[in-house]
Amino acid sequence: KAGVTQTPRYLIKTRGQQVTLSCSPISGHRSVSWYQQTPGQGLQFLFEYFSETQRNKGNFPGRFSGRQFSNSRSEMNVSTLELGDSALYLCASSWDSTITDTQYFGPGTRLTVL
Amino acid sequence: AQSVSQHNHHVILSEAASLELGCNYSYGGTVNLFWYVQYPGQHLQLLLKYFSGDPLVKGIKGFEAEFIKSKFSFNLRKPSVQWSDTAEYFCAVRGSQGNLIFGKGTKLSVKP
Repeated sequence: KAGVTQTPRYLIKTRGQQVTLSCSPISGHRSVSWYQQTPGQGLQFLFEYFSETQRNKGNFPGRFSGRQFSNSRSEMNVSTLELGDSALYLCASSWDSTITDTQYFGPGTRLTVL
Repeated sequence: AQSVSQHNHHVILSEAASLELGCNYSYGGTVNLFWYVQYPGQHLQLLLKYFSGDPLVKGIKGFEAEFIKSKFSFNLRKPSVQWSDTAEYFCAVRGSQGNLIFGKGTKLSVKP
């Protein structure tokens, strides 16, 4: 079974631009979660989508948004990029983020904001 | 707020040494606990998880962890490390909304 895939793997943008990242979950998984990983803050939860609906959201500004399609693929968008948005963005999928489920992570998209 | 603390930022060991990485969490309810590993240049991989039952959990690559409820701890252990265990290790607890709350990670360097 193929794992979680994320595209693109690397991105370089400038301040003020916007960016869209894509995540394809493991086949059959309906839940997709997004995390931001930085050296200073570590891994922080952005949001989770389940069956095309945002189910949970972390403490990030409204510039960070996402969506999920009927095939469970998910996109994450960051508008008006800031230097501090430079990070590794990780996507994780699970059948359902219930209490007994496990999240499987993709390789991430490395975003650099100049 | 729920949180996870990993006490060691960087651990350096020689091959064949024993490993114990500390992890403490703050969450009063039923806990689901995880250890993930991130090898250099690779994605996060699940090492082991605890949902319920036997508090001693065995994972992949010879790792194990013990859930001690009274101490709010879930320490990771390996009797004998190898150079290939060089990686960053993350402890995580499932939050009340289902998301994972991670510790800051512990970098393990194993000298050959």
